Amino acid sequence: AAGVIQSPRHLIKEKRETATLKCYPIPRHDTVYWYQQGPGQDPQFLISFYEKMQSDKGSIPDRFSAQQFSDYHSELNMSSLELGDSALYFCASSLKTSGHNEQFFGPGTRLTVL
Amino acid sequence: DQQVKQNSPSLSVQEGRISILNCDYTNSMFDYFLWYKKYPAEGPTFLISISSIKDKNEDGRFTVFLNKSAKHLSLHIVPSQPGDSAVYFCAADVSGNTPLVFGKGTRLSVIA
Repeated sequence: AAGVIQSPRHLIKEKRETATLKCYPIPRHDTVYWYQQGPGQDPQFLISFYEKMQSDKGSIPDRFSAQQFSDYHSELNMSSLELGDSALYFCASSLKTSGHNEQFFGPGTRLTVL
Repeated sequence: DQQVKQNSPSLSVQEGRISILNCDYTNSMFDYFLWYKKYPAEGPTFLISISSIKDKNEDGRFTVFLNKSAKHLSLHIVPSQPGDSAVYFCAADVSGNTPLVFGKGTRLSVIA
């Protein structure tokens, strides 16, 4: 079965650079979530989209933005990168209209800011 | 303030025995609970969930128990297998309609 695809899997950037992370949800899923997981931490919710509209916003810095496109893929744009942005970034998708919230996670993008 | 708490950072169990992972929550609005398993360098994998209208849900070797009055849930794995060794996250949400709130995870080691 198709899973959530994230690219790239690894990304190395320098401070003050920008980064774009991509997420391709499971086909027919209508909701995409972005999470950030620091070393030894639990995943922290950043932002979500339902049917291409932003639905919830968590602890996403103002330097970050995201959008969901007509084909349902989503991109997380990160600017003015800081050392503290080094983390695993997970995308998850779900079918909200199913009435349950089993979110299926991608493999993550490991961002390292030097 | 951590709304979902997994107070045991790690747990070691012998192969074939039962593994019990615990999770407590503080937000009484939570009504849907999920367990995820995570291997290194992979995303969390959904294991099992339970709605607040139930007190038990079973799927093969995995059973989740919910005690609403105590705001406590647990995941039982029996029999435990070496391949179960991973970090287990408890998560919760409201009405299946909100972002998940995760606990900090418990690292399970199943020893052969």
